[in-house]
This record gives sequence, structure tokens and C-alpha cells, in this order.
Amino acid sequence: EVQLLESGGGLVQSGGSLRLSCAASGFTFSSYAMSWVRQAPGKGLDWVSGIGGRGRSTYYADSVKGRCTISRDNSKNTLYLQMNSLRAEDTAVYYCAKGSNDSSGWYFNLWGRGTLVTVSS
Amino acid sequence: DIVMTQSPDSLAVSLGERATINCKSSQSILYSSNNKNYLAWYQQKAGQPPEVLISWASTRESGVPDRFSGSGSGTDFTLTISSLQAEDVAVYYCQQYYSIPRTFGQGTKLEIK
Repeated sequence: EVQLLESGGGLVQSGGSLRLSCAASGFTFSSYAMSWVRQAPGKGLDWVSGIGGRGRSTYYADSVKGRCTISRDNSKNTLYLQMNSLRAEDTAVYYCAKGSNDSSGWYFNLWGRGTLVTVSS
Repeated sequence: DIVMTQSPDSLAVSLGERATINCKSSQSILYSSNNKNYLAWYQQKAGQPPEVLISWASTRESGVPDRFSGSGSGTDFTLTISSLQAEDVAVYYCQQYYSIPRTFGQGTKLEIK
């Protein structure tokens, strides 16, 4: 079955760190760009970070640049997001999303169910 | 960054009637070398992750009912549901994938009248 399964969310104090993981199955993981997209409670979708299929190219939203690091382990079919210096405004459900390809024009054609990150001040 | 603006923010339509959602980008998302518009539409039902409905502004994804259609080019785009069904109640988002950062519209909440 083609699916994405996030883990690693939880409650953390402001200034703390978390590492999110996304286990992929049912497709050739290394052939696709991957991203993290978040959704604050009751709000819209907010792209956070993306990474190319081989992991050489990484991209970040300005809101997390310098605080977050995206990576992937293609041997384990797993995507990661290391989040440091967390702020209250980082509170959200974090979705792992599969890109439609590994070239420049990728949209998101598979989403996980998300993992909730709550940052307390 | 490319700003995506949807209208309206919310919409109530009777069952069987047409629903239309608009999306405007702050700059053209038509790539001239391949004449493709880098725009997707997503549906998010309550408590669920989003699902892609339309890519390249007008291409329905596999399994998406044909009552959903996308149109437009350049900076102005439209998602149309030709005959609203109860299961179409959701929030709909447009998203550009022309450039980084990827950006979404603010969402349009669609309800039954």
C-alpha cells in the first residue's frame, strides 16, 4: 500500500527541539522529492521545507530557515525534519507530502495523516 | 514569494448546483517553455489530510470524479464543481508549484445551502 506515516510530534517547551520522521512505503522513495507542510489549528496550509530525491537539494520557508533541517535516508525510505529553537507559532500538525516527481515542478500527490507539534510558552 | 489569493473565503451551494472557486496568483505561473500552468487544487475534508484533485491547472488526478474541473491560465484560475454532492463539503486550496517557496491560497470553505 502506498502510504506515508509521520511520527515524532509532541509537546515541547519554547526554545526546545524535536525530530519528526516520515516512513514511506509502496513507491520508489528515492525517485521523488519530499516535503513537510504544516497546518496551525484552524488555519490553512503552510509549506515548510522540501528535499530532492537524492537529498542533495534542500529548500526552506523563510519562517524556519536556520532553525530546521530536512534530510532523508533513502536506504530506510524515511524523511526527517529536525526542528530547533521552537516557537509558539510553530504549533501545528506537520504533514509529510510526496512530490509528484523529482524535477522542478512538483506538487503534492500523497499526504500522511500528520503529527501534532505543540510548543508551550 | 508568489502570493495566492482565493475567493470567496466561504461558499454555500445547494445540492446538485454548481460551485465555483477562484484563485489568483501575484505573478504568472505559466512556464513559457512548456506552456504549462504550475497550479494544483486540493480538497481537505474535516479531520483529514489534503488530497490533490487537479494538477497543471486543468488535469484531473486519477480517481477524481469528473464533476471537478479546473481552468484558467497565467494568474487567474478556477475550480468548478458542476453538481455539488454532500461528500464535497470541504475546504479547497489552490497551490502554485512554479517556484520555491511553494505557496497555498488561504482556503475556501464549501458548505451545503
